[in-house]
Amino acid sequence: EDQVTQSPEALRLQEGESSSLNCSYTVSGLRGLFWYRQDPGKGPEFLFTLYSAGEEKEKERLKATLTKKESFLHITAPKPEDSATYLCAVQAGNAGNNRKLIWGLGTSLAVNP
Amino acid sequence: NAGVTQTPKFRVLKTGQSMTLLCAQDMNHEYMYWYRQDPGMGLRLIHYSVGEGTTAKGEVPDGYNVSRLKKQNFLLGLESAAPSQTSVYFCASSLTRQAFFGQGTRLTVV
Repeated sequence: EDQVTQSPEALRLQEGESSSLNCSYTVSGLRGLFWYRQDPGKGPEFLFTLYSAGEEKEKERLKATLTKKESFLHITAPKPEDSATYLCAVQAGNAGNNRKLIWGLGTSLAVNP
Repeated sequence: NAGVTQTPKFRVLKTGQSMTLLCAQDMNHEYMYWYRQDPGMGLRLIHYSVGEGTTAKGEVPDGYNVSRLKKQNFLLGLESAAPSQTSVYFCASSLTRQAFFGQGTRLTVV
């Protein structure tokens, strides 16, 4: 069964304290792995798409990496405004043309000033 | 830059009542989706559409119906609301693999 697991469930950091969030997946053929950010009371906001093992994407203090079994979202020198829930989703190889995604439960990140 | 707009933002229904949630996108996207988000369950796909006039079932379609009469609009209907449908509903649209989400509708069924 296709599955996405994110860890930890919650993470509290001090401003400037770098860390990583994990997204492990088991799917029948990965067509894409997606990272989204969700602020309280809002819809998810797209961050990155990764397609193949070894690929990396960066945006400001965030860097996403991908292996054959998992993805990491590295947060370098975080600021309080990085506080949010980070969601991981994958598109499996049998998704056809409908773009259906399998979502993880997210990691709730709090960055203290 | 409206993007994806959902109406209403909040709604309280009594068990057995019906309602329609409206999603409108101004990005000319082919694909549109309805999700529900519940604590501990994550985002679950209710129905989706791959183009105007098409709809298909997602993971949790029971109790919901959808229509996509116009490319820019995707409607989600609840014919007879049940307390189990209390949730936050998100609409999304996409052209490529990147999906854009609306702000959500918080629905409570009492």
